[in-house]
Amino acid sequence: GENVEQHPSTLSVQEGDSAVIKCTYSDSASNYFPWYKQELGKRPQLIIDIRSNVGEKKDQRIAVTLNKTAKHFSLHITETQPEDSAVYFCAASYGNKLVFGAGTILRVKS
Amino acid sequence: EPEVTQTPSHQVTQMGQEVILRCVPISNHLYFYWYRQILGQKVEFLVSFYNNEISEKSEIFDDQFSVERPDGSNFTLKIRSTKLEDSAMYFCASSEAATIEQFFGPGTRLTVL
Repeated sequence: GENVEQHPSTLSVQEGDSAVIKCTYSDSASNYFPWYKQELGKRPQLIIDIRSNVGEKKDQRIAVTLNKTAKHFSLHITETQPEDSAVYFCAASYGNKLVFGAGTILRVKS
Repeated sequence: EPEVTQTPSHQVTQMGQEVILRCVPISNHLYFYWYRQILGQKVEFLVSFYNNEISEKSEIFDDQFSVERPDGSNFTLKIRSTKLEDSAMYFCASSEAATIEQFFGPGTRLTVL
């Protein structure tokens, strides 16, 4: 079925360290994989996305990698800062919709 | 920068009542979506809408739900007879095309008493 698994559910890191969040998807037809950041009570905001014809994409401190064969993709945040603390959701496209993972609560301790 | 807007920000209703949640997508976008998020849980897809018709809907989107684009700017979600379990944050989203960035509105928090 349409499923996106996300791990870990919570992640605490020290400021300046890296954070990695991993997701797997079930449908090989999925071709678009966005990552959203959601602060408490706010809307999900896209932070980076990747398409299935690309293996890696980077935007400053944020990078996403995609392994189509294994059907998994990961978010990497380097040099974490307290303002990176939020809930992060991965998603995969299934037809005309996005299916979201369960979310990762990232806490950056200063 | 254009944004998706939603009204109201918070709606409180009695069980069994009808509610209409309103959204104004970004003006040049062609694809519209409704998602919901129960407190502390993940974002769940409800329905997608393109070319004045539903293109896809989830199991959650049963006969109690309907969507409409009544004019050139608004996109509405109606819940005919609300249940306690309909309490959630409802997000509208829009995109220029399928499988590209979806822009989310600020959400409407629906509380069913």
